[in-house]
Amino acid sequence: GENVEQHPSTLSVQEGDSAVIKCTYSDSASNYFPWYKQELGKRPQLIIDIRSNVGEKKDQRIAVTLNKTAKHFSLHITETQPEDSAVYFCAAKRGSGNTGKLIFGQGTTLQVKP
Amino acid sequence: DVKVTQSSRYLVKRTGEKVFLECVQDMDHENMFWYRQDPGLGLRLIYFSYDVKMKEKGDIPEGYSVSREKKERFSLILESASTNQTSMYLCASSLMAQQINQPQHFGDGTRLSIL
Repeated sequence: GENVEQHPSTLSVQEGDSAVIKCTYSDSASNYFPWYKQELGKRPQLIIDIRSNVGEKKDQRIAVTLNKTAKHFSLHITETQPEDSAVYFCAAKRGSGNTGKLIFGQGTTLQVKP
Repeated sequence: DVKVTQSSRYLVKRTGEKVFLECVQDMDHENMFWYRQDPGLGLRLIYFSYDVKMKEKGDIPEGYSVSREKKERFSLILESASTNQTSMYLCASSLMAQQINQPQHFGDGTRLSIL
């Protein structure tokens, strides 16, 4: 069935270092890949998304890359700061229809040490 | 800014009770979703609705039902609560994708404990 695998489950970096989170998906028809950040006790919030017609997208210190052939996509955070500490979820849209249903990865807990 | 409001942040119920979780969105979104969030399992889809009175089962619908009588409101119902339904429940909404996929917007979640 449809599946999204996310690694690592936990990630600890020093402030200023880069962090990379990787996801693989199984549904070849997926064409939309959002990333959500969930701070402790708060709602998941969209931080960046990418559509299948592009290979990379950047927004300040965060970037996402997509390899459709290999069916994997990654989140890159540069110059990490303590406020980047949170749980990050990747997701892939299910199928090619317009319902907007997503399947989520298991989540990565990122800790940025000052 | 999209506002998705869940009726309770914390809820404690007893085994066997019928439990209602309410979610309201203010952006006229067609799609609404209910997820449960458990450590190490990510967000798992319970039920989905793409229009009033329309619903689809998600990945883990057993023990749950939903109601969408009005476009802005989507209710999750635990027919007979059990301890394994203790979890964080998240509601989300999104516009129906036409040519461009639309992101989902989440509520703050309801932490439900079944004793």
